[in-house]
Amino acid sequence: EPEVTQTPSHQVTQMGQEVILRCVPISNHLYFYWYRQILGQKVEFLVSFYNNEISEKSEIFDDQFSVERPDGSNFTLKIRSTKLEDSAMYFCASSGLDDEQFFGPGTRLTVL
Amino acid sequence: AQSVTQPDIHITVSEGASLELRCNYSYGATPYLFWYVQSPGQGLQLLLKYFSGDTLVQGIKGFEAEFKRSQSSFNLRKPSVHWSDAAEYFCAVVQETSGSRLTFGEGTQLTVNP
Repeated sequence: EPEVTQTPSHQVTQMGQEVILRCVPISNHLYFYWYRQILGQKVEFLVSFYNNEISEKSEIFDDQFSVERPDGSNFTLKIRSTKLEDSAMYFCASSGLDDEQFFGPGTRLTVL
Repeated sequence: AQSVTQPDIHITVSEGASLELRCNYSYGATPYLFWYVQSPGQGLQLLLKYFSGDTLVQGIKGFEAEFKRSQSSFNLRKPSVHWSDAAEYFCAVVQETSGSRLTFGEGTQLTVNP
């Protein structure tokens, strides 16, 4: 069964450093998403991406964040200058036309 | 703006007992509704979804949910809980538009006693 994959599973970084989180969505999906979950809190939407551009973003997704689909398979989330409060689990998801979003296993980001 | 409320933060049941997890949503039109399960340290797995049609939907692992428009609810049920069902359960809603964001509830942590 096709699945969404994410790398790395755990990323530790120093405050102020740039990080790139990587995702490989399901191959025939058209819509791509990033969500985050701060420890003990609910899952929050960050951004959605369609046809090589951002289709929607939340108030969390400020200028420090960017997304890219550099080739036909990868979908990345970049945080330019990490803050302590960026520590969270980041989930990538993808969907086709039927709005069923499939989630990856997540990347745990720890900012020290 | 759409919102999802899960009134129960934590529920404890005995193995073999029945389970109902509550979910209420706030949205003008009929949304698409989902239940996801998250085991410790794991990602989100879809249990079931409601798009339209029969208001009682069956999902994986013996779960079902009933959409009640009059109550704006989408409660998750299981007739007999297994110890492996211990996890966090999230209700979520998406607008009836392709590529829309999922809005999640706060989650309900389920503990299963032997």
